[in-house]
Amino acid sequence: QTVVTQEPSFSVSPGGTVTLTCGLSSGSASSSSYPSWYQQVPGQPPRTLIYNTNTRSSGVPDRFSGSILGIKAALTITGAQADDESDYYCMLRLSSGIYVFGSGTKVTVL
Amino acid sequence: QVRLQESGPGQVKPSETLSLSCSVSGGSISGYYWGWIRQPPGKGLEWIAYIHYSGNSDYDPSLKSRATTSVDTSKNQFSLTLYSVTAADTAVYFCARYGLDPGTYFDSWGQGTLVTVS
Repeated sequence: QTVVTQEPSFSVSPGGTVTLTCGLSSGSASSSSYPSWYQQVPGQPPRTLIYNTNTRSSGVPDRFSGSILGIKAALTITGAQADDESDYYCMLRLSSGIYVFGSGTKVTVL
Repeated sequence: QVRLQESGPGQVKPSETLSLSCSVSGGSISGYYWGWIRQPPGKGLEWIAYIHYSGNSDYDPSLKSRATTSVDTSKNQFSLTLYSVTAADTAVYFCARYGLDPGTYFDSWGQGTLVTVS
């Protein structure tokens, strides 16, 4: 079964930049995987940040950006703020047409 | 703005059947794909299934033999049924709407409902 990998955790200083990645256990993530990114605070439903690799969802600050880096999808937070401290999940569309979430990255801002 | 609300039993006994519904308000169920996602306590998100308003659906391979989704356009709601549940099915279950153009991401989420298998 296909596994989508993410870094377990990252720490970033306020105002700093962090890049989270999202890879496939078999093959490469690309724009054809239609990467999307979600932010989740514990106890809340996810919030959609980025879709179609690099399109920000309505109301999402432009400090969040999406891209493809090599064979992985990536989410970059530029100028991190305290309320960016959350769990971040990517989701990829597989060639079979089904979807898989990544394992999630816990971002700490300190 | 569309709103999604999950409803379910709260607790199900092992080996029994879990039935969940998602009511859609503020918009039509027609024209969209809809999804089910779950999150075991303290763990990450798991994609379960999608269903189109026309009834076309697909599932995560690990759940395909036990899961069924359906849509009721007259009630503007869709449902998930999971058979032969075990403790591993204990999770918060979310329903969500896929966005349009492309319809490959979730643009709206329900608040989630906790289902405990015990």
